[in-house]
Amino acid sequence: DTGVSQDPRHKITKRGQNVTFRCDPISEHNRLYWYRQTLGQGPEFLTYFQNEAQLEKSRLLSDRFSAERPKGSFSTLEIQRTEQGDSAMYLCASSSRGKNLYEQYFGPGTRLTVT
Amino acid sequence: DAKTTQPTSMDCAEGRAANLPCNHSTISGNEYVYWYRQIHSQGPQYIIHGLKNNETNEMASLIITEDRKSSTLILPHATLRDTAVYYCIVSGYSGGSNYKLTFGKGTLLTVNP
Repeated sequence: DTGVSQDPRHKITKRGQNVTFRCDPISEHNRLYWYRQTLGQGPEFLTYFQNEAQLEKSRLLSDRFSAERPKGSFSTLEIQRTEQGDSAMYLCASSSRGKNLYEQYFGPGTRLTVT
Repeated sequence: DAKTTQPTSMDCAEGRAANLPCNHSTISGNEYVYWYRQIHSQGPQYIIHGLKNNETNEMASLIITEDRKSSTLILPHATLRDTAVYYCIVSGYSGGSNYKLTFGKGTLLTVNP
């Protein structure tokens, strides 16, 4: 257990429905990342928060995706009008200021299946 | 970030050392070598990182060649629980970076009894 939690762990939804995932990072970590992982591939960066500010979004993050981190604590990732291609594992990671800038702590992920 | 090349898969006998290679011939001077692993159905886990000196921690050792164009992650006494996909990532600080990780496909290490 890394201290990063994600909810739900699994989500099955029908195409066209909206889904929302939650990530609770390690409490003192100011940086929060979302990644997406499809079968057989490594995780791909989606977006990054420093405190409550969303500082970068990947081109993978279409207009149907939105992420928030109110008050710089937990974060939510919402997918509107889901498509079958959205089926993937969604991973959250957090990290802190400090010497080891690329050491991230990952949650267990939320596996999304769109039917 | 520099591109990395890793073998698709490797096998290792339980109790033996596992040596996982990574080529990063285009690495630049301020880029670090990071290793993560991902056990099935879990999130990636940080293992170790280095710049140019060899590094060791409680999980593994990292050997970086003098020209920094390749590295080897060593698990000294592999156990069945070390079966995972191992990712070699090269990333560097460049003022204002978001420190995102760029994963390749990694090496699937299978530790056999």
